[in-house]
Amino acid sequence: GQNIDQPTEMTATEGAIVQINCTYQTSGFNGLFWYQQHAGEAPTFLSYNVLDGLEEKGRFSSFLSRSKGYSYLLLKELQMKDSASYLCAVRDSNYQLIWGAGTKLIIKP
Amino acid sequence: GAVVSQHPSWVICKSGTSVKIECRSLDFQATTMFWYRQFPKQSLMLMATSNEGSKATYEQGVEKDKFLINHASLTLSTLTVTSAHPEDSSFYICSARDSRAGDGGHTQYFGPGTRLTVL
Repeated sequence: GQNIDQPTEMTATEGAIVQINCTYQTSGFNGLFWYQQHAGEAPTFLSYNVLDGLEEKGRFSSFLSRSKGYSYLLLKELQMKDSASYLCAVRDSNYQLIWGAGTKLIIKP
Repeated sequence: GAVVSQHPSWVICKSGTSVKIECRSLDFQATTMFWYRQFPKQSLMLMATSNEGSKATYEQGVEKDKFLINHASLTLSTLTVTSAHPEDSSFYICSARDSRAGDGGHTQYFGPGTRLTVL
């Protein structure tokens, strides 16, 4: 079966750095996405990785290793507004998006 | 950037009535739109893929006669929940692909969602 694993919840301190991991087992791979979802709102797109390596976008970076079926989202200089759920999604060989359950990130002052 | 709107943002209806939700791509054309449902504290669940000018493709377990999808134009898809029941109460979210995007249209952009409550 297809599976996406990410931690259920993480806690970090304002101003610090946090890494949210995502491992996947899917039938084929055609890209990995990270989305941010605040409570009661729809997801917003953060990043897209299709090749191995690190993609940096301001305070957020996303890393992919296809051979390991592994990705992480790195958030630097954490702000209170970063408190949200972070969803990892993988597009499989049929170009269907397989979603992880999301990681709830709690930022403390 | 790619903007997707949804209307209404929330709706309360009586059991047995039908509710229509609209999803629009405001600044781009979307040949493909997606409809998701999300229950509290759960992940997104894809309900169906809506293709302009053709029938929607429904995921396993989603009743096509209950959740009617129409994608009549390149900027509008509608989801109608027919004969709604309390168990249909959920957060319904649409998304669309922007073919102009640098990644070749792979990224889905989400509408703000519609919260449906069926009494």
